[in-house]
Amino acid sequence: DAGVIQSPRHEVTEMGQEVTLRCKPISGHDYLFWYRQTMMRGLELLIYFNNNVPIDDSGMPEDRFSAKMPNASFSTLKIQPSEPRDSAVYFCASSPSGDSGNTIYFGEGSWLTVV
Amino acid sequence: AQKVTQAQTEISVVEKEDVTLDCVYETRDTTYYLFWYKQPPSGELVFLIRRNSFDEQNEISGRYSWNFQKSTSSFNFTITASQVVDSAVYFCALSENSNYQLIWGAGTKLIIKP
Repeated sequence: DAGVIQSPRHEVTEMGQEVTLRCKPISGHDYLFWYRQTMMRGLELLIYFNNNVPIDDSGMPEDRFSAKMPNASFSTLKIQPSEPRDSAVYFCASSPSGDSGNTIYFGEGSWLTVV
Repeated sequence: AQKVTQAQTEISVVEKEDVTLDCVYETRDTTYYLFWYKQPPSGELVFLIRRNSFDEQNEISGRYSWNFQKSTSSFNFTITASQVVDSAVYFCALSENSNYQLIWGAGTKLIIKP
């Protein structure tokens, strides 16, 4: 079975440019999460969706970040304009519906470097 | 408040040794879930195990075993006969019944030397 698929795996961009990260969750999973991992802050939940609807975006750092989920099989995380401090690994993850104990499965991550 | 503590920042052992990674958690919920994830040098996060608060049975999967003790709020992870491929950062995490937020420990970096 295919896992969570993220693209691009690696992105190097210049400060000020727009960055779009993409995610395809596991088929049948109703929850989708975007996480960010840095050395300083560890793993942070940015936003999560249930049935394509954003449920909690309190972790989104600022207005430069936006996330969409137009359908059950696709989500994007956009940073515009990007800044060097946005350099991090961005993980997309998904989980089946049910109680909160359902396991969250992660993609391989998108490694973003903003220079 | 909820919290997950992995006091061991880094552990280094020689291959074939047994090693235990500690995880201590805090929660006020009576229903909660505990997880372990592995992050190898390649960077992906790999799910290892989930445990709910009502199931204190220890679990064994090959060389991996987990000891869940509610009395000490601990969910420790033991690797028996460690191998170089076990080298990774291991994260313990907590999910409370009320939401989907995972509360993460800081991770333990495990180095297995040949």
